Amino acid sequence: EAAVTQSPRNKVAVTGGKVTLSCNQTNNHNNMYWYRQDTGHGLRLIHYSYGAGSTEKGDIPDGYKASRPSQENFSLILELATPSQTSVYFCASGSGTASQNTLYFGAGTRLSVL
Amino acid sequence: GDSVTQTEGLVTLTEGLPVMLNCTYQSTYSPFLFWYVQHLNEAPKLLLKSFTDNKRPEHQGFHATLHKSSSSFHLQKSSAQLSDSALYYCALRITGNTGKLIFGLGTTLQVQP
Repeated sequence: EAAVTQSPRNKVAVTGGKVTLSCNQTNNHNNMYWYRQDTGHGLRLIHYSYGAGSTEKGDIPDGYKASRPSQENFSLILELATPSQTSVYFCASGSGTASQNTLYFGAGTRLSVL
Repeated sequence: GDSVTQTEGLVTLTEGLPVMLNCTYQSTYSPFLFWYVQHLNEAPKLLLKSFTDNKRPEHQGFHATLHKSSSSFHLQKSSAQLSDSALYYCALRITGNTGKLIFGLGTTLQVQP
């Protein structure tokens, strides 16, 4: 089965600080995604990527940047963290080539911004 | 635009009773629907997905039928088990080749003894 690994699993940050969430996948999937999960909002797409060097804005990109330096790695960057970014963040990968694209999720990162 | 609606935030039922979780959608083009399940403190994972040939997908006793006439993809199971307690997301593949999915808000299923 597809393996997606996120780090760190838990993070406490201060308001105004920089936070980097990392994601690694070992399945050679072209597409990778960052979602955040909040009660009452479900899973919302922040950024995604088609492959190394590409990043695209999702539905809620404000306050976030993304970086895809290689096929395997996809990072989410909060340059100036705010308390509203306290959430659980999930990275996912998928082939994106078939008409039915299965996403494989990492275990999530719980971020608290104080 | 494309969207997914799950009307129930919480469904509570007794073990052994049938399960039905609602999912309706709006899609610009031919829809592909998915159900993902997330157990407590775990990652979401695929439960089942719609087929292009109108077959009914089934997995772990769950099944769902894509009804284009009513734009629905409800999740069903004949007899709930305690281990079915989880958060269930319905998702729609966005048209085009991005592979992006739109998720509904999710339905928490609580199965009681």
